[in-house]
Amino acid sequence: QVQLVESGGGVVQPGTSLRLSCVASGFTFSTYDMHWVRQAPGKGLEWVAAISYGGNEKYHIDSVKGRFTISRDDSKNTLYLEMTGLRTEDTAIYYCTKGRASVRGAEFDYWGQGTLITVSS
Amino acid sequence: QSVLTQPPSASGTPGQRVTVSCSGGSSNIGRNSVYWFQQLPGMAPKLLIYLTDQWPPGVPDRFSGSVSGTSASLVISGLRSEDEADYYCAAWDNSVRGWVFGGGTKLTVL
Repeated sequence: QVQLVESGGGVVQPGTSLRLSCVASGFTFSTYDMHWVRQAPGKGLEWVAAISYGGNEKYHIDSVKGRFTISRDDSKNTLYLEMTGLRTEDTAIYYCTKGRASVRGAEFDYWGQGTLITVSS
Repeated sequence: QSVLTQPPSASGTPGQRVTVSCSGGSSNIGRNSVYWFQQLPGMAPKLLIYLTDQWPPGVPDRFSGSVSGTSASLVISGLRSEDEADYYCAAWDNSVRGWVFGGGTKLTVL
């Protein structure tokens, strides 16, 4: 069965850096797009970044461009989110979610349990 | 302020048919497929509808999706108490070149 397990969250001060990881299993990771989606406490869902299978295409929401970078290591079945210059408004649960392998496939069909990042001084 | 607009709340009684709307624009819903998610309290979101009107395995056909112009709808038929949750729509946006979500609709089963 598909499993996505995030790690790397915690309490950090503004301006610091953090790397989130998401280990995938139960599917051929290298052939699927992948995403990060976040949810601030008591708020709605916000897509953060996406990476294509093969890693050639990357997309980030404007509010994190230049600060966050999505990447993947297919040899380790792992998705990453490198976060720098963290701000209080980045406080949220960060979910790793599976994308699609083909045009007729489903994006966001499996989600991890999420990892909480709290940015506070 | 979300790019896609959803009503903050909706309600219905068991057995009723409820519609959750999602209003967008020509750069997102008007040109791309819509996704719908259900989020139970304290849980990760779950995919309900993809490619506007397709069901992932295991999702009952009580849930259905459609689009008209730049607006999308999620219809829940035969409402059940376990449908009480937050519902979100999403679509790719050609202008921002990213995925945009609605603000979410909290569904209460009376």
